[in-house]
Amino acid sequence: DSGVTQTPKHLITATGQRVTLRCSPRSGDLSVYWYQQSLDQGLQFLIHYYNGEERAKGNILERFSAQQFPDLHSELNLSSLELGDSALYFCASSRKTGFDYNEQFFGPGTRLTVL
Amino acid sequence: DQQVKQNSPSLSVQEGRISILNCDYTNSMFDYFLWYKKYPAEGPTFLISISSIKDKNEDGRFTVFLNKSAKHLSLHIVPSQPGDSAVYFCAAKGSQGNLIFGKGTKLSVKP
Repeated sequence: DSGVTQTPKHLITATGQRVTLRCSPRSGDLSVYWYQQSLDQGLQFLIHYYNGEERAKGNILERFSAQQFPDLHSELNLSSLELGDSALYFCASSRKTGFDYNEQFFGPGTRLTVL
Repeated sequence: DQQVKQNSPSLSVQEGRISILNCDYTNSMFDYFLWYKKYPAEGPTFLISISSIKDKNEDGRFTVFLNKSAKHLSLHIVPSQPGDSAVYFCAAKGSQGNLIFGKGTKLSVKP
């Protein structure tokens, strides 16, 4: 158990809908990263938050957004969902930012299915 | 354009023998590399890492070798055990602090 929790574990929804994925980092970790794992793309970095502030963006679509709250949990919002958004979404946490701390600890993921 | 490549999608090894998983990268600016192991229905689990100032790092049965001139790293598992059967991901630390992953190699260790 990495200490990172994600809810829900599974999510099934329809095209055009909006969903929210939740992540709680390990106790004491200030950084949260979101990754998407689809069948053909592997694990792709989406976005990084540190202590409530956005630090870096990767291959995140404009339809997706995220935030990190004062209690350090993070939410990833996916809107106007398309079939191609079906994937596993992982969050990871680390003690500091990626620039001075290297290992990231992953949650169990949320499997999103868009029908 | 993939910056981290794992060219073998799968590898099968006999229990007790050595497993060697390979990884190539294209960006010579990468200075930190990690290996993660992933079981089905779980998130990736950190296994071992190596800084670019080293060429070898060892942790129990796991050893990672880095060849900077060839832009190649490998993970050795000795001896391999059935519980090692999983998907192994190689990752490099990107300029934004994120991890850049290869597509993984599925290791099967046969009893």
